[in-house]
Amino acid sequence: EAGVAQSPRYKIIEKRQSVAFWCNPISGHATLYWYQQILGQGPKLLIQFQNNGVVDDSQLPKDRFSAERLKGVDSTLKIQPAKLEDSAVYLCASSHPIRDSPLHFGNGTRLTVT
Amino acid sequence: AQKITQTQPGMFVQEKEAVTLDCTYDTSDQSYGLFWYKQPSSGEMIFLIYQGSYDEQNATEGRYSLNFQKARKSANLVISASQLGDSAMYFCAMREGRHNFNKFYFGSGTKLNVKP
Repeated sequence: EAGVAQSPRYKIIEKRQSVAFWCNPISGHATLYWYQQILGQGPKLLIQFQNNGVVDDSQLPKDRFSAERLKGVDSTLKIQPAKLEDSAVYLCASSHPIRDSPLHFGNGTRLTVT
Repeated sequence: AQKITQTQPGMFVQEKEAVTLDCTYDTSDQSYGLFWYKQPSSGEMIFLIYQGSYDEQNATEGRYSLNFQKARKSANLVISASQLGDSAMYFCAMREGRHNFNKFYFGSGTKLNVKP
């Protein structure tokens, strides 16, 4: 099966600019997650979707971050305006509805804000 | 309180020796799952091994085994016969929640260096 697809792989922007990331989960995976991973730390959940509905966005900085999953398949995460502290790897993951299914991760987008 | 605690920021092991990476967790759920992931310097997160809270046997996958001690709430990863390619960050994770609303929590990771 094809894995989780993410693009772009790398992005460099200046602070106050906007950026968008795209993710296509594994076919049949209803749950999609966006994580932020700052260098040297573990992944931190930003938002979790079940089909096209939001399950958890409690740690999403909503004043600058937004995400959508309109048709319950692929998803976009946007940052506007970006801050220096947003420099991180943004990981998309999906999981199968079977309870004990692991998270399957994409290769991530490495964002550098200058 | 932290859901997942990994107390070893960095570990060294000699090639061909075994190494144990520690993980403790905190949950009040009866049903939960524990996972280990490997993250090489290239950045991808690779699933290694899974242990369900009701599983009585410790999980094994090739050179990886999970030392599950439920009463102590620990889920240590054991890598036998370490190889140079095992050098990476290792993350312990826990799944809580009901069937369609699983939440995953990650620890801060352990950086493993395998010495030749």
